[in-house]
Amino acid sequence: DAKTTQPTSMDCAEGRAANLPCNHSTISGNEYVYWYRQIHSQGPQYIIHGLKNNETNEMASLIITEDRKSSTLILPHATLRDTAVYYCIVMPNDYKLSFGAGTTVTVRA
Amino acid sequence: DAGITQSPRHKVTETGTPVTLRCHQTENHRYMYWYRQDPGHGLRLIHYSYGVKDTDKGEVSDGYSVSRSKTEDFLLTLESATSSQTSVYFCAISQNRDSGDNEQFFGPGTRLTVL
Repeated sequence: DAKTTQPTSMDCAEGRAANLPCNHSTISGNEYVYWYRQIHSQGPQYIIHGLKNNETNEMASLIITEDRKSSTLILPHATLRDTAVYYCIVMPNDYKLSFGAGTTVTVRA
Repeated sequence: DAGITQSPRHKVTETGTPVTLRCHQTENHRYMYWYRQDPGHGLRLIHYSYGVKDTDKGEVSDGYSVSRSKTEDFLLTLESATSSQTSVYFCAISQNRDSGDNEQFFGPGTRLTVL
């Protein structure tokens, strides 16, 4: 299964865009990139996913590089409620999710 | 929010006792999952179900069993709880299982402490 690498932590100013990078250099051609987040003491929350085209929904945008070896999750206008641990996952073909350490994002006023 | 509830939300039990956690969904999703989350290990799949009475093992299934007699309910049982099973347990559901269509929606979690 493809592994992902994310920074351990990052800070972001409230109202600014937050750009969360993820490396997945061993991703296979048919594997999707998913992003989840987990706010303290809550269950993980699905954010967005994509294969090779950029994707946008009401929560975020996902930019995947042309070679698919990395991606960036963009929170366009971060709020204090976006403070959470963000997980970048390459969905394995056996669809069994596992999360690593993720990126702890702190949005500051 | 997806209609997923877990019960109990908190439980303290003693080593050797059986424990059953319940996950209930109102979304009529076919697939249901049980995960545990531990510091240093992240989120790991215990068991999952792909239909009524259809279940399979995940990454860390030893010491756990599951049952699904109705679409809406997925039970996780610790036959004889051990301290290593102290964890936060999350239930999740998904409508599909294809790699590109496998958004999983999680419940609020159950914090289990085994003394």
